[in-house]
Amino acid sequence: DADVTQTPRNRITKTGKRIMLECSQTKGHDRMYWYRQDPGLGLRLIYYSFDVKDINKGEISDGYSVSRQAQAKFSLSLESAIPNQTALYFCATSDFGATDTQYFGPGTRLTVL
Amino acid sequence: EDKVVQSPLSLVVHEGDTVTLNCSYEVTNFRSLLWYKQEKKAPTFLFMLTSSGIEKKSGRLSSILDKKELSSILNITATQTGDSAIYLCAVPGGSEKLVFGKGTKLTVNP
Repeated sequence: DADVTQTPRNRITKTGKRIMLECSQTKGHDRMYWYRQDPGLGLRLIYYSFDVKDINKGEISDGYSVSRQAQAKFSLSLESAIPNQTALYFCATSDFGATDTQYFGPGTRLTVL
Repeated sequence: EDKVVQSPLSLVVHEGDTVTLNCSYEVTNFRSLLWYKQEKKAPTFLFMLTSSGIEKKSGRLSSILDKKELSSILNITATQTGDSAIYLCAVPGGSEKLVFGKGTKLTVNP
């Protein structure tokens, strides 16, 4: 079984809809991250969480919110989706003692029409 | 501002060729540099280089850190079509966040 899972894997939605992307991990890591990837722009950090009570904005948090429901679960929400949020979204985890190495989920391809 | 720059952005080679991918960085309090390989899915970890481990090798892949030049190279010898991927370089920046480069897209043709 995969250590970091994301659901859904693909989603097509319409402008203005609320969307939630979910991430679960079985690695026992404290730290979790949400990135988006766009062609030519690389991976950009949206939000990160160092534990259940610690949530931090990344470089592109506008238009997004997150919830850390448990150590193993970190959800990303788009309250009102817009077309320029069409992207590939990755969740990642890292261990407190080895934060440099992050382990990525399989990604969610989101299309906003 | 922390920054990671990779070059070239894309590269097309033939099977059997040797390639060198470059990564340069500007970061406060350098701690490590990481290389990831991304095929049609999630990035997977390749190497981590630190001041105490400036050279890593795994099969046909090897990487060297040059702290003086603030850069790293990733070498792939005897390339195969399965090496086709985007190769990402990252360094930990402020607040222990990883700062990624835009990646090098490598295409290996048979």
